[in-house]
Amino acid sequence: AQSVAQPEDQVNVAEGNPLTVKCTYSVSGNPYLFWYVQYPNRGLQFLLKYITGDNLVKGSYGFEAEFNKSQTSFHLKKPSALVSDSALYFCAVRDDKIIFGKGTRLHILP
Amino acid sequence: EAGVAQSPRYKIIEKRQSVAFWCNPISGHATLYWYQQILGQGPKLLIQFQNNGVVDDSQLPKDRFSAERLKGVDSTLKIQPAKLEDSAVYLCASSLSSDSNQPQHFGDGTRLSIL
Repeated sequence: AQSVAQPEDQVNVAEGNPLTVKCTYSVSGNPYLFWYVQYPNRGLQFLLKYITGDNLVKGSYGFEAEFNKSQTSFHLKKPSALVSDSALYFCAVRDDKIIFGKGTRLHILP
Repeated sequence: EAGVAQSPRYKIIEKRQSVAFWCNPISGHATLYWYQQILGQGPKLLIQFQNNGVVDDSQLPKDRFSAERLKGVDSTLKIQPAKLEDSAVYLCASSLSSDSNQPQHFGDGTRLSIL
């Protein structure tokens, strides 16, 4: 059965510093992996996806994610954090159906 | 392009009452999803439509939840009767197709509170 784990409930990063939000997954076949962001009282917004090809995927708002097959990870990264990046981030894996992680709250400190 | 529209944004009802949510997906999107997001958790898929047909409703509590997409565009999700544990945000999403590589576009959700 497929599953996705986000081991951190919250990540605190100072503005301007690099950020990483962790995600690991388990799927029987080739994974389709996604990152979404959710702002307060809003729906989820698509950031980026990995389907195949280059392990480093670039997405919206300067975010990128690195697919690591041997570690079954798909960590979200950004070289320089902005206060406006503060939000709830969800990793998702899709095999026969899509499953979301429980979310990681990212807090960027001014 | 216009996004996914949902109404109402907020709903408060007492347990055992009924409630309905409405969703209008992005124009041209064949696939529509309903999710339940309980506070502190990720969204959980309730039902997936491809045009007006159900693709997956394995996690829909069918004794109390129902959904339809009669003309393959708008959709409604109904709960009857509501229980306290149904308090959650109900999100609607749509995508161009049901292909696994397609990103989903979400509405802002309906926040349901059961008293």
